[in-house]
Amino acid sequence: QVQLVESGGGVVQPGRSLRLSCAASRFAFSTYDMHWVRQAPGRGLEWVAVLSNDGTKNYYADSVKGRFTISRDNSKNTLFLQMNTLGDEDTGVYYCARNSVVSTGGFDYWGQGTLVTVSS
Amino acid sequence: DIQMTQSPSTLSAAVGDRVTITCRASQTVSSWLAWYQQKPGKAPKLLIFDASSLQSEVPSSFSGRGYGTEFNLTISSVQPDDVATYHCQQYKSYPWTFGQGTKVEVK
Repeated sequence: QVQLVESGGGVVQPGRSLRLSCAASRFAFSTYDMHWVRQAPGRGLEWVAVLSNDGTKNYYADSVKGRFTISRDNSKNTLFLQMNTLGDEDTGVYYCARNSVVSTGGFDYWGQGTLVTVSS
Repeated sequence: DIQMTQSPSTLSAAVGDRVTITCRASQTVSSWLAWYQQKPGKAPKLLIFDASSLQSEVPSSFSGRGYGTEFNLTISSVQPDDVATYHCQQYKSYPWTFGQGTKVEVK
């Protein structure tokens, strides 16, 4: 069964940085586009960023563009999200998600999420 | 950006009722639409992709319809295990966007 395990969340002060990781297993990680999606407490889902399978193409939500960087290490089956200049609005659960294999879009597998709390 | 609007925000149904959730897009997304189920404290689960295709191992009580700007998710006979928040999401163009969610309660 496909497995995605996020880590790296925690409490961080406004303006500081945090790096999230997502360890993938039981599928051919290097052949899939991968995404980060977040959810603020009690709110809906917000797509954050995507990185192509080979790491050459990426897109970001306007709310994080210039502050967040998505990257991957296909040799270690790991996806990353470097988050800089964090603000209160970045608080939430961050999920990594795999792009669907049967369609051009959608997320067919999700991790359990890692909680990021931005607070002084 | 494409805005996705779901209605209703909350619905309450009796066991066995047929329930329908609507998702409207601010511009056409063709059939590039997915539906997810999210139970409290859990990650979302893909139910429907390409507007009407049932994801593997999802019960046939779930179905999706629509094209362009208006879409529906229907649960043919709602059960207690269907208590969850349901989200629509477009993947016609980046940034991919979600609706605000519909919370389904079962009486």
